[in-house]
Amino acid sequence: NAGVTQTPKFQVLKTGQSMTLQCAQDMNHEYMSWYRQDPGMGLRLIHYSVGAGITDQGEVPNGYNVSRSTTEDFPLRLLSAAPSQTSVYFCASSYFRDSVSSYNSPLHFGNGTRLTVT
Amino acid sequence: KQEVTQIPAALSVPEGENLVLNCSFTDSAIYNLQWFRQDPGKGLTSLLLIQSSQREQTSGRLNASLDKSSGRSTLYIAASQPGDSATYLCAVRMDSSYKLIFGSGTRLLVRP
Repeated sequence: NAGVTQTPKFQVLKTGQSMTLQCAQDMNHEYMSWYRQDPGMGLRLIHYSVGAGITDQGEVPNGYNVSRSTTEDFPLRLLSAAPSQTSVYFCASSYFRDSVSSYNSPLHFGNGTRLTVT
Repeated sequence: KQEVTQIPAALSVPEGENLVLNCSFTDSAIYNLQWFRQDPGKGLTSLLLIQSSQREQTSGRLNASLDKSSGRSTLYIAASQPGDSATYLCAVRMDSSYKLIFGSGTRLLVRP
């Protein structure tokens, strides 16, 4: 019963490097999203998807790309890492039949990826 | 712009106490509100989801109430246990939005 799985758990990057944070879920959830958590700022939505081939921007999308080729996977790409992207990143998913059903479904979170950019 | 505030930032209580965690929001036009629990180094676990039309939701020893007009929600934990020690976050969803707006959380320590 894996739920939402994120890899890696920890990552250190140098400024300018790129990398992909992986997220996979086995609950057949159509809705998936990425949040970042920073001290004193709570969690903020980066990107989200309501199904394969559909993605949209959240509150803080700059510097990040996403794609959704399958229902199970929703990777987050950092194109050119900056120190401001040092954070803990969480992937979350929920049931989605339509927007209303998604709004009313609890979010299931992964355990996070702690990223440090030096 | 919606702002969600949780006070206090940290709380320490002896085991067995009943306690209340507070969440306030500035815009009362919310769609629903969720309470989450976060253990150190872990993701968030959804505890309760309360619709804007509801006054309260209960799950075991947890009870969440919602007063939209005053912009407040409370999470009541009965007979607290050391295993309840964690950070508790509330999050609101506005109408027609996939985005959850989170508070910064209350870090709870229940002392044996």
